[in-house]
Amino acid sequence: GAGVSQSPRYKVAKRGQDVALRCDPISGHVSLFWYQQALGQGPEFLTYFQNEAQLDKSGLPSDRFFAERPEGSVSTLKIQRTQQEDSAVYLCASSHQLDRGNGLAGGEQAPDTQYFGPGTRLTVL
Amino acid sequence: QQPVQSPQAVILREGEDAVINCSSSKALYSVHWYRQKHGEAPVFLMILLKGGEQKGHDKISASFNEKKQQSSLYLTASQLSYSGTYFCGTEMGGGKLIFGQGTELSVKP
Repeated sequence: GAGVSQSPRYKVAKRGQDVALRCDPISGHVSLFWYQQALGQGPEFLTYFQNEAQLDKSGLPSDRFFAERPEGSVSTLKIQRTQQEDSAVYLCASSHQLDRGNGLAGGEQAPDTQYFGPGTRLTVL
Repeated sequence: QQPVQSPQAVILREGEDAVINCSSSKALYSVHWYRQKHGEAPVFLMILLKGGEQKGHDKISASFNEKKQQSSLYLTASQLSYSGTYFCGTEMGGGKLIFGQGTELSVKP
C-alpha cells in the first residue's frame, strides 16, 4: 500500500512569504505528527493530531506556524512570514494508534509505529 | 529532555559489530529506533516497551533498561546497507517522540 506522501518535496521561499506544506498520511491512520529536522539533527516534534483534533501543538516554534487537519486525513502545515531560521526539512508521520493520554493506566495501549514521509525541504532566502 | 546518543559517529568494516546507546534523563514509556539515509525518510526499525524488553530483527537487535532509562541498538555482522544515521526516539506517553541527535554509521567494504 501507499506510504506517507508529502508535497512539495522542495520549496524555496523568499523571506516574508507564506508557505503551505501538505501531508497525505497512510489511509486509515488516526494519528498524524509533524516534525522539523534541521541539517545534521534529529527530528523535532512540532504538533500532533488525532483525527481532526489537534491534541498537542507544544512544539510549534512561534505563532507563525499553524497546522490543520480539517477532515481527519490530509494535513497542512502553514508557515506565515517565513524567516531564514525556518529553513529545514519538515517531516510528517502517521500511525494507526489512538491517543493514550500521558500513558497512565485507564486507556494504555501498546505504542504504535510512526511511519514517516519523505519530507519537504524548505529553503528560505 | 532530548536523549543523548553515543557514539556520534562510527566507521565499520563490513562484517564488524557496533553498539549505539541512547540515554534519557526522564522516565520513558517506550523507545523507537529509526535509520535514515541521506535525503530520505527515517525508516522504522523497532519499538521497545518499558520493562526491560529486548527485541531482534535480522542481525539488528535492541534492549531497553527502564531503570537506567537507557536503550542500546546492536548491529552484528554489519552490511553495506546498514550505513546511515540512526536515531532513537523516546516517548514519555502521549505518542510524540523526542529524538536524539543521531549516530552516523558508515560501513566500508
